[in-house]
Amino acid sequence: GENVEQHPSTLSVQEGDSAVIKCTYSDSASNYFPWYKQELGKRPQLIIDIRSNVGEKKDQRIAVTLNKTAKHFSLHITETQPEDSAVYFCAASIPTGTGTASKLTFGTGTRLQVTL
Amino acid sequence: GAVVSQHPSWVICKSGTSVKIECRSLDFQATTMFWYRQFPKQSLMLMATSNEGSKATYEQGVEKDKFLINHASLTLSTLTVTSAHPEDSSFYICSARGPYREPQHFGDGTRLSIL
Repeated sequence: GENVEQHPSTLSVQEGDSAVIKCTYSDSASNYFPWYKQELGKRPQLIIDIRSNVGEKKDQRIAVTLNKTAKHFSLHITETQPEDSAVYFCAASIPTGTGTASKLTFGTGTRLQVTL
Repeated sequence: GAVVSQHPSWVICKSGTSVKIECRSLDFQATTMFWYRQFPKQSLMLMATSNEGSKATYEQGVEKDKFLINHASLTLSTLTVTSAHPEDSSFYICSARGPYREPQHFGDGTRLSIL
């Protein structure tokens, strides 16, 4: 099955700096890569996603890049703010092609702390 | 849009009790729902996938007789933890998605504590 590795496990940046979180996946058939933000005790919230036919996607301060050849994708947050502090999870999804829903395999998470 | 409601948010009960958790999609038809378990400071581990009207597909190592999943309608799935024991204490989160459409939308989670 799919295996997703995520680094770093913790990341501390000063407010205004950029933060980068990296993930690698094992199955080249994966074609959908979402990023979720989870605050303590709350639901994971989708912040950005990318499909395998796109190399980069940006939404305001957040961007995701995908390198299919190397099987890795990264989350970039610019001009970080204290409210960006949370745990971020990457995930990868393999299409089943059988009419049943594909499932997500999550990375181990990155705890981002933005300090003043 | 794409709101998923999960209840209860917190359950404390005695060992041996069965606990039912509900997951509802409020504004879309969820052909597929997923149940995850999350331990403190760890990632989300998929327990099972349920498609409306059919039996759930459990991940390896998840006891289907322990964690009963029902997905009887396009807006409701339930997870019943049967004869719960302290080791079943965890944060359980559901997610839902429409037909062939990403992304998954998550519920608020249920914190289950078995005494």
